[in-house]
Amino acid sequence: GAVVSQHPSWVICKSGTSVKIECRSLDFQATTMFWYRQFPKQSLMLMATSNEGSKATYEQGVEKDKFLINHASLTLSTLTVTSAHPEDSSFYICSADDGLAGRETQYFGPGTRLLVL
Amino acid sequence: ELKVEQNPLFLSMQEGKNYTIYCNYSTTSDRLYWYRQDPGKSLESLFVLLSNGAVKQEGRLMASLDTKARLSTLHITAAVHDLSATYFCAVDGETSGSRLTFGEGTQLTVNP
Repeated sequence: GAVVSQHPSWVICKSGTSVKIECRSLDFQATTMFWYRQFPKQSLMLMATSNEGSKATYEQGVEKDKFLINHASLTLSTLTVTSAHPEDSSFYICSADDGLAGRETQYFGPGTRLLVL
Repeated sequence: ELKVEQNPLFLSMQEGKNYTIYCNYSTTSDRLYWYRQDPGKSLESLFVLLSNGAVKQEGRLMASLDTKARLSTLHITAAVHDLSATYFCAVDGETSGSRLTFGEGTQLTVNP
């Protein structure tokens, strides 16, 4: 089955530093990847849609200069949280869409837990 | 703006009992998804419902979709402790281009 990985699983960093999170589709090519953020006891909120070879589309209220997304290949998208602050601490989850079969399924990664001190 | 609402948000039930979780959404949708999330984990896909009247079952869980009422249900039959988790529905609106809007989640606790 389709597998999506994320790296790292956990990251703890100091306030003001930047953190990069990788999302990889392991056994399929992902034309589109999505980045979500989940705060404790809350639902998932879509941050941005990432298409290979083009600029990401950000949801309203998400700062594109703070959350840099690069989708350089059909198997890799990265999310960089720039100048992270404690309020950016969250669970970041990516998903990947292989673009096949009428867009019926997104495959979710295992998530990356970010703690900014 | 597409809105997705789940009811109830918290559910505590005894093993062996039946219950239904409801998911209402506000605009026309292509497809509806149900996911399970265990504490500290990512999402596990349960069901994809693609058309009006669709019904899918897996073990003690059964999901249905009524696109005219903009309503999906997740029915739990004879609950067991292992079903304790948070359940999310998500909707892919016709104009959203695969962008999912999630409900608030239903935190289910099944007590022995």
